Amino acid sequence: AQSVTQLGSHVSVSEGALVLLRCNYSSSVPPYLFWYVQYPNQGLQLLLKYTSAATLVKGINGFEAEFKKSETSFHLTKPSAHMSDAAEYFCAVNIPGNQFYFGTGTSLTVIP
Amino acid sequence: DSGVTQTPKHLITATGQRVTLRCSPRSGDLSVYWYQQSLDQGLQFLIQYYNGEERAKGNILERFSAQQFPDLHSELNLSSLELGDSALYFCASSADVASGNTIYFGEGSWLTVV
Repeated sequence: AQSVTQLGSHVSVSEGALVLLRCNYSSSVPPYLFWYVQYPNQGLQLLLKYTSAATLVKGINGFEAEFKKSETSFHLTKPSAHMSDAAEYFCAVNIPGNQFYFGTGTSLTVIP
Repeated sequence: DSGVTQTPKHLITATGQRVTLRCSPRSGDLSVYWYQQSLDQGLQFLIQYYNGEERAKGNILERFSAQQFPDLHSELNLSSLELGDSALYFCASSADVASGNTIYFGEGSWLTVV
């Protein structure tokens, strides 16, 4: 079975601080993994995705994520938070047939 | 702009009624997905179509149905509406059903059932 667990439904960081959003997956097949961001009153936008090439994936807006098979993790990081990063972040695992299983989301608050 | 268009953006209707949500996928995309997002249930996969055929079903209620037309647009029909159906309904599309394909989301249709 495939599933995604996002630890921490709410994360608060100070502006300029490191952002770390956690995602662990379960998959019976080699996974493709995605991070999406949802700004208020908008749809989900792709931040980055892992498709079995480099394990460190760089995305938009300075975000990156590292695929760690041994830990079944795909945590999202950004060295320095900006106020505009405040949003909901979703991790997703993609399985054959291009079906997506999304985590429950992590709401990021950036404190000035 | 993802290129996925959903209408209407907002809809208020009464319990027991029926509504239709419409989605135009990105140009060239053959696969369409419907998701429901609510505060208590998160983002729930409802159904997936590929080139007019149903491909996968998720947590879609029997009161809900969908189809994808020859021009690839899709409609989600919600009937006998209940208060609990109030949610944000997203349509997404992808080029095909090969694994690893990005899905692109529309801005959603807000449904309020009163």
